[in-house]
Amino acid sequence: DAKTTQPNSMESNEEEPVHLPCNHSTISGTDYIHWYRQLPSQGPEYVIHGLTSNVNNRMASLAIAEDRKSSTLILHRATLRDAAVYYCILRDVQRETSGSRLTFGEGTQLTVNP
Amino acid sequence: EAGVTQSPTHLIKTRGQQATLRCSPISGHTSVYWYQQALGLGLQFLLWYDEGEERNRGNFPPRFSGRQFPNYSSELNVNALELEDSALYLCASSLTTASALSSYNEQFFGPGTRLTVL
Repeated sequence: DAKTTQPNSMESNEEEPVHLPCNHSTISGTDYIHWYRQLPSQGPEYVIHGLTSNVNNRMASLAIAEDRKSSTLILHRATLRDAAVYYCILRDVQRETSGSRLTFGEGTQLTVNP
Repeated sequence: EAGVTQSPTHLIKTRGQQATLRCSPISGHTSVYWYQQALGLGLQFLLWYDEGEERNRGNFPPRFSGRQFPNYSSELNVNALELEDSALYLCASSLTTASALSSYNEQFFGPGTRLTVL
């Protein structure tokens, strides 16, 4: 599986935007970029995913570099509830067996200050 | 709609014993995944079941096994427990991936079972 690199931790203030970076220089053409987050004492939850184009949903936006070697998860207005570990994951959905699993890295611990 | 449920919430066993963890997927989901989250090791993929069959397993010894029942619920069995098996075991479910390889099926996670081996 292609690897991702994320900062160990980031800090933000409430109501401000947060940009969480992820590097994936060995990404293949069929790798989707996924973001999950894990709030304290909970299982991970899906945030967003994309392939080439930027994506928006009710939770966040995903900005993907033109060469796809990096991406950024954008939380437009951080709330205290957004404090979590954010995981950037590559997933090749064309690989029938291993492509279905999620390979979690260390993730970024986001702290939101009131 | 009910989410993924897991039981028990906590499980305490001693070395050498066997542990059985259970997972009920979201209604309509046929794929079930098991992950281990041990302190210091992060989330690691254990097993994937789809339509009653084991489709893929992670880098874990054979004493980690499981099965998926006709109603798509799943069991994870850990035999000959070792101290390092102490971890949070997370189950996730999704729509079947076998017929949707060109699209994406989000995985929904349960709250986990905390296994402590003494």
